[in-house]
Amino acid sequence: AQTVTQSQPEMSVQEAETVTLSCTYDTSENNYYLFWYKQPPSRQMILVIRQEAYKQQNATENRFSVNFQKAAKSFSLKISDSQLGDTAMYFCAFMRTSYDKVIFGPGTSLSVIP
Amino acid sequence: NAGVTQTPKFQVLKTGQSMTLQCAQDMNHNSMYWYRQDPGMGLRLIYYSASEGTTDKGEVPNGYNVSRLNKREFSLRLESAAPSQTSVYFCAIAQVLEAFFGQGTRLTVV
Repeated sequence: AQTVTQSQPEMSVQEAETVTLSCTYDTSENNYYLFWYKQPPSRQMILVIRQEAYKQQNATENRFSVNFQKAAKSFSLKISDSQLGDTAMYFCAFMRTSYDKVIFGPGTSLSVIP
Repeated sequence: NAGVTQTPKFQVLKTGQSMTLQCAQDMNHNSMYWYRQDPGMGLRLIYYSASEGTTDKGEVPNGYNVSRLNKREFSLRLESAAPSQTSVYFCAIAQVLEAFFGQGTRLTVV
């Protein structure tokens, strides 16, 4: 069975600084998908970034980028130039195939401090 | 959350009462899911339906039943609510490279 681990329950960062959230996962699959979802206080689940395991290049979306280490089964999220609106819960997630169920990690609560 | 609508948004139940959470999608997608979210545990899968007419247990199915009424609708039923079922519930669909979520239902069982 696949599992997703996030070892940092809470983190904080100063506004405009950079922060990295950690995620590791366990799977025997070779092809799969990884995601970072953001959940602000509104409870809405928002896709931040995704990575396809067969792609070696790390995904980037504006201020958000990932460091995908397939052999180490590691998938960290880097947020550059942190903004107050980045304050939220962040969930790392795994999907075995494009139409499969999504498995989530326990989440990291990120606070951006003015 | 475009395309996935779940109701109600909030509910308070007494222990032993029953209720059904409703979920509907207009994205014409086969797979639908019910998750529960608890502090420190992320989202855990309760049940899922890969297609109309099929349902399967997820990680935490005990105390719940589901019904895939048609391709659009996937409901979650609590027959006899317990305080341990106090949680936030999300309906979701999974599509190529992304999952879409409803707004969530905050359920409190007292």
